[in-house]
Amino acid sequence: EIVLTQSPGTLSLSPGERATLSCRASQRLDNTLLAWYQQKHGQAPRLLIYGAFSRATGIPDRFSGSGSGTDFNLTISRLEPEDFAVYYCQRYGGSLTFGGGTKVEIK
Amino acid sequence: EVQLSESGGGMVQPGGSLRLSCAASGFPFSSYALNWVRQAPGKGLEWVSSIIGSGDSTFYADSVKGRFTISRVNSKNTVYLQMNSLRAEDTAVYYCAKGGLNSWYFDLWGRGTLVTVSS
Repeated sequence: EIVLTQSPGTLSLSPGERATLSCRASQRLDNTLLAWYQQKHGQAPRLLIYGAFSRATGIPDRFSGSGSGTDFNLTISRLEPEDFAVYYCQRYGGSLTFGGGTKVEIK
Repeated sequence: EVQLSESGGGMVQPGGSLRLSCAASGFPFSSYALNWVRQAPGKGLEWVSSIIGSGDSTFYADSVKGRFTISRVNSKNTVYLQMNSLRAEDTAVYYCAKGGLNSWYFDLWGRGTLVTVSS
């Protein structure tokens, strides 16, 4: 079973700063079948990135995904106040597995 | 409007049963896989079950296999999750989520329904 480990657990940043979130797989992921979701408090998750790189409909271009193999990143180029939330990665080739999440909080 | 709406949550005793429903609108329902994802209080996301568009194939997490059954009625644009032999560890918000086109990421989510298993 492939395990996804997200780091850091919590990222404390100020609006306008750059955020880099990591998702590491315990085994190589084929075909970059990795997605990223944002979840704000009390709300359902929202798809941000699929296929490791592709932004979902309506997602601002300050969000970008990168990586391959076992190491993937979600980058938020300049944090807006509405970006402070919890972010999850998900593998969707084979078993459907989520990482444990990274909370991006206001410093 | 493209949306998913869950219902059927509530409180149930350990060993009991509950059936969740998810009503869809705004997209060609039978063309897409539908999924259930849960989130225990204060915890992360856990995939529970999936069903392809035709309903011919279903998939389950090991934690619910043999206890939960996913089904769909395409004429009603509705997917169901029958949950039997419920345990305290099944307590969570259950989200219905639509699969992507020919893919298994989740591009549309409902607001969720809370299931509490407690005596």
